[in-house]
Formats: sequence, C-alpha cells, structure tokens
Amino acid sequence: DTTVKQNPRYKLARVGKPVNLICSQTMNHDTMYWYQKKPNQAPKLLLFYYDKILNREADTFEKFQSSRPNNSFCSLYIGSAGLEYSAMYLCASSRRREQYFGPGTRLTVL
Amino acid sequence: SQWGEENLQALSIQEGEDVTMNCSYKTYTTVVQWYRQKSGKGPALIILIRSNEREKRSGRLRATLDTSSQSSSLSITGTLATDTAVYFCVASSGSWQLIFGSGTQLTVMP
Repeated sequence: DTTVKQNPRYKLARVGKPVNLICSQTMNHDTMYWYQKKPNQAPKLLLFYYDKILNREADTFEKFQSSRPNNSFCSLYIGSAGLEYSAMYLCASSRRREQYFGPGTRLTVL
Repeated sequence: SQWGEENLQALSIQEGEDVTMNCSYKTYTTVVQWYRQKSGKGPALIILIRSNEREKRSGRLRATLDTSSQSSSLSITGTLATDTAVYFCVASSGSWQLIFGSGTQLTVMP
C-alpha cells in the first residue's frame, strides 16, 4: 500500500483561529513532509521530519508547527490562521528520493 | 519552460499529438524527477533521471537531462486525454529535499 492519507480533505477556518491538519502513511517511511501549494505556483516546502527530527524552512519557521507522535502520523498546526494561509496543503513521505504524496487538504481561511 | 516562482505554464493539444515540456534549474542537482498531478490528487512520480544519464524512457515518456545547461525535458508521445494533468519538474541534490518547478498544465483534448 503506497497510500498517503490526509484529513480533512477540506477545511474552513476563521481568521485568528487554530488549524490542525493530519497526515498518515503505512509505508514505514522515515521522512514526512508538508508543502503549501497556492494556485499556479510550485509546491513550497514548509517543513519535514526525518525520523523524529523536525526541520523547518527559515521563512516559515514561526508560522507552522508540527508533531510526529509515531512513524505513521504527522500533523501540521497553524496557531492563528490568516487569510494568506488559504492554500492546498500537501503531505508526502519518502524513504529515498521518491516522494509519495497525499491528495491534499484544501484550507480556506475566512 | 518552468522554474521556481514563474507562473504555471499551460499547453493545450489534441489527443494523439506529441508534446515536450521543458524546465531549467539553478541549484546543483544529482537527480531530476518529473511528477504528474491529476485533478483532486497529489503529485505522483512518473520518471526519474540521474545526472549521469542523458535520456530515460518509460513507455510513452521520455526525459532528457543536460547538466551543462541545467535543463531537463519531458516528452510524451501519442498523448491521451488521460494525460491531462499538471507536470512538475523537480530537482534534488540531497536525499530529502525536492525543489519544485512551477509546473506545466497540460490539457489533452479528445
């Protein structure tokens, strides 16, 4: 099974409210990633976990949190959503170079 | 061609035609991957070409890599309507970090 699952598929949030997105994989991959994708733009890497080690991109360091309670699950947490957070959030996992992507969560902030 | 922050490129062709998509990259790259994203799904790897390869074929797909000009191309022969998707060129130098191009929206009309 090469499926990466994401929940929810669609999320509506109010400005200033927290948002928590969930990703899971059963491939025993050591690395899990979160990307943000806006229309007509390349997916932007937000952060990734290699095993239990979290790596966050410098320009999104303070905007996104994440946790990985076990090998299969990874969350993306936004403490206070702003309008600019509206986007598709893609989770991916990998053991080597190929990344397996989930279907994404479409977040709309109002 | 696609790269980085450039807007999504768009191509529209008739079924049965051949198509070539180009991308260029700026960072040191050991592998170029091409991902395809169909509507409602996450990106999926379709072909991978290493820096010591000039050409790679997989079915109707053909990828080329020119490390001297830091460019890659993806060709699809005998396109089908089911080839309609966004195609991303992805460069990587490490085992975990991918650098996405902005993508090419390919529409194949039946």
